[in-house]
Amino acid sequence: IAGITQAPTSQILAAGRRMTLRCTQDMRHNAMYWYRQDLGLGLRLIHYSNTAGTTGKGEVPDGYSVSRANTDDFPLTLASAVPSQTSVYFCASSDSGGGTGELFFGEGSRLTVL
Amino acid sequence: GQNIDQPTEMTATEGAIVQINCTYQTSGFNGLFWYQQHAGEAPTFLSYNVLDGLEEKGRFSSFLSRSKGYSYLLLKELQMKDSASYLCAEMDSNYQLIWGAGTKLIIKP
Repeated sequence: IAGITQAPTSQILAAGRRMTLRCTQDMRHNAMYWYRQDLGLGLRLIHYSNTAGTTGKGEVPDGYSVSRANTDDFPLTLASAVPSQTSVYFCASSDSGGGTGELFFGEGSRLTVL
Repeated sequence: GQNIDQPTEMTATEGAIVQINCTYQTSGFNGLFWYQQHAGEAPTFLSYNVLDGLEEKGRFSSFLSRSKGYSYLLLKELQMKDSASYLCAEMDSNYQLIWGAGTKLIIKP
């Protein structure tokens, strides 16, 4: 693993199903983030974690949950997927949560909810 | 309020210079970022400005005016590989990034 890895890269999901997007980084960064990117809109923050054991809500947290049991992993769970959650999801990390560190992004997970 | 404005799309010619503008409105400011995003790929960091002035990094330069809530990204000697979206993002008083929708730059031969 080099950098930040997301899985799956693409998924089609039936509405009402539970889905977890995985994110793992090997850079020992303290801060991690989940964004969604939709056409015509800027990246929108879903949840974030400034350090292992802590999480916070971003701009659009409803319908999503996260956990940060350790430094490396930051999974995003959709408890009951809805079509409006169709989007491209990016996980990111930085080495200075709450500071001004550059963000490193994963390659994205394209999710389609039918 | 927090609002990041940048043009939706721009077209330029290979070898030329292009300037992509970004304006922001916020009561707290902790810096302005520019990222590049090729189609279907992840955003990658280009620049960070927190003080007024021009930061030059090779063919790319970024400018900031805090009093005007204004930044621009200047790309020189354009190459076809510069065709991408350019994302402006402002770091607010809570150190969270507020992102613009991005400017799609099309480079023509």
